Amino acid sequence: NAGVTQTPKFRVLKTGQSMTLLCAQDMNHEYMYWYRQDPGMGLRLIHYSVGEGTTAKGEVPDGYNVSRLKKQNFLLGLESAAPSQTSVYFCASSYGFGTDTQYFGPGTRLTVL
Amino acid sequence: DQQVKQNSPSLSVQEGRISILNCDYTNSMFDYFLWYKKYPAEGPTFLISISSIKDKNEDGRFTVFLNKSAKHLSLHIVPSQPGDSAVYFCAARSPYGQNFVFGPGTRLSVLP
Repeated sequence: NAGVTQTPKFRVLKTGQSMTLLCAQDMNHEYMYWYRQDPGMGLRLIHYSVGEGTTAKGEVPDGYNVSRLKKQNFLLGLESAAPSQTSVYFCASSYGFGTDTQYFGPGTRLTVL
Repeated sequence: DQQVKQNSPSLSVQEGRISILNCDYTNSMFDYFLWYKKYPAEGPTFLISISSIKDKNEDGRFTVFLNKSAKHLSLHIVPSQPGDSAVYFCAARSPYGQNFVFGPGTRLSVLP
C-alpha cells in the first residue's frame, strides 16, 4: 500500500515549456487535490476532483489544467510554464469531502527558469 | 490577506516540556479546523482536528484548543519529544467551499 505517490520528485523547466505532474493513489479515494506551497505561505488549492471524470477550480487555478481520467490518477499540467509557478506541488486524496482526512504525497519541487 | 495566520515561524522547546503552537483566523464562518505535521521531503500528515462546536479535543500527547470568540486555536504537545520536530500547519474549513485554508506553518524544534 503506497498511499499517494507523485512523479517526478524534482523538475527544472525553462519559461514556456510544458510538463505534466502525475499523482497516483491506491486507497480507492474519490476525492483528489493539487496544492502548491510557496515560502511563507500555506498550501493553496489549485484544482480538485470529486470523482473520476470530474475537475473543479480551487483558489489559484490560473496557468494550470488537470484531468482525472482514472479514479486513481490525477494529472496536473502546465502548458506554458512561468517563473511564478516555481513552487512545491503536493497532491492529496481523501475518501470523502469536507471533514475527511486528506492524505498527501511527498511533493514535487518545480523550478521554472 | 491570509485568512489563517501562524505568527510564529519557528519555536524551540526542550524535550519533555510543553510545546504550544498558535493559529489565528479571520473568518468567523470557518467551522472545522485541523493540524497537519510535515517532515522534510515528505507530505503533510494529519495530526488532530476540532469542530467549531467543541472547544477542546485530545489525542494522546496532542490537544487542540479552540477559542471561537478570539478566533484562535492552539496545539499543545505534552511532553514534547525530539521526533515532534517538524513543521506544523493549521488549516480551517469554510462551510461554503468545503475546501481548506492553510496557515504558513510553524517549525518546531524539540531539543534533547
